[in-house]
Amino acid sequence: VQLLESGGGLVRPGGSLRLSCAASGFTFSTYGMSWVRQTPEKGLEWVSAISGSADTTYYADSVKGRFTISRDNSNNILYLHMNSLRAEDTAIYYCVQSGYCSPTTWYPAWFDPWGQGTLVTVSS
Amino acid sequence: EVVLTQSPATLSLSPGERATLSCRASQSITFYLAWYQQKPGQAPRLLMYDASNRAPGIPARFSGSWSGTDFTLTISSLEPEDFAVYYCQERSNWPRGTFGGGTKVEIK
Repeated sequence: VQLLESGGGLVRPGGSLRLSCAASGFTFSTYGMSWVRQTPEKGLEWVSAISGSADTTYYADSVKGRFTISRDNSNNILYLHMNSLRAEDTAIYYCVQSGYCSPTTWYPAWFDPWGQGTLVTVSS
Repeated sequence: EVVLTQSPATLSLSPGERATLSCRASQSITFYLAWYQQKPGQAPRLLMYDASNRAPGIPARFSGSWSGTDFTLTISSLEPEDFAVYYCQERSNWPRGTFGGGTKVEIK
């Protein structure tokens, strides 16, 4: 299993950014996926999750209405669209595998494995 | 919302010594707790799951236990590669996850 994030960078407050996570080594469409971010100040924070078929999404209150998680199962890519970025969104963003999805059930699982992360810096 | 409190923040030990890390949940989460290890410049790695089960490839010197809302990660004899930051995580509101603040195990 390999997860490779990209798309991070420097963006001004109020700006937008799209993160990508290229997945390989497993049947992407049968696994839920999450984004988890990390800062020295707040530590590890779960951000968002999406089911294997993309019919269910979840967001942390801190990003709800500003971030959108999506996926392209044809190309095995997970996305995080980030709008109205704030300084407090500055973090390393990790893509994480989050549980097997059957046609009817998304099974709970621990965050494993993780990508190497991509750094997002929101600053003027 | 469950809050996880890890202690101590820093543990200064020598190779070969025993490390005992604590994670306390603010309410009952039964045994649904995981531990992750993070080394500098790397992503976290799953170490233990369901409180006491080692993830694949994790050495037997790592063990986990729990009693009520208190969880413990024990490293029986520290190896040089074990000096890292350790985080606990619960998933009572899955697929959301809540993490503790971390314990840094440093070389004394």
